[in-house]
Amino acid sequence: EIVMTQSPATLSVSPGERATLSCRASQSVSSDLAWYQQKPGQAPRLLIYGASTRATGIPARFSGSGSGTEFTLTISSLQSEDYAVYYCQQYNNWPWTFGQGTKVEIK
Amino acid sequence: QVQLVDSGGGVVQPGRSLRLSCAASGFTFSRYAFHWVRQAPGKGLEWVVVISYDGKNKFYADSVKGRFTISRDSSKNTLYLQMLSLTPEDTAVYYCAREASVAGGLLDYWGQGTQVTVAS
Repeated sequence: EIVMTQSPATLSVSPGERATLSCRASQSVSSDLAWYQQKPGQAPRLLIYGASTRATGIPARFSGSGSGTEFTLTISSLQSEDYAVYYCQQYNNWPWTFGQGTKVEIK
Repeated sequence: QVQLVDSGGGVVQPGRSLRLSCAASGFTFSRYAFHWVRQAPGKGLEWVVVISYDGKNKFYADSVKGRFTISRDSSKNTLYLQMLSLTPEDTAVYYCAREASVAGGLLDYWGQGTQVTVAS
């Protein structure tokens, strides 16, 4: 099973600032990496797939990069609605696995 | 628009059973694979099971293998998860999710979740 490790666990960012989240895979997952956003009491929402492709309706301030074992989600200018928990997921190898999440909170 | 509505959760005693449902609308149900993903209180996401578009292939996480059964009814556009021999470790919000057509294992739409609590 591929282990996904996210860092940091919590990220404190001021509105309008940039947020950079990291995700590392225990072995290569090529570009089969997705990012999801989850707000309290809500289901996860797909943000990024293929490591860097935004899902339908996702604002351009969200961007993803990386391949192999190292990935990054960047939120260029944090808006109030972006404070949430973000999960990475690999879908290269079964069983599909998620990271433990990074909480983005208001600084 | 794509909609997935989860239901069937509740409070159940250890060792008992429960069946979850996920009603789909807004797309052609029979063309997609579906997954169940769960989230224990205060924890991250755990993939549970997947069923292929035609129902012929099913894969389970080791933690539920032999106790949970996934099924689908295309005449009702509904996905099911039959859970047997429940333990407190199964306590979680259970989400159904549609697998994206572009890649296996990628989840593009999720239900709102249904809470399952296993306690005596």
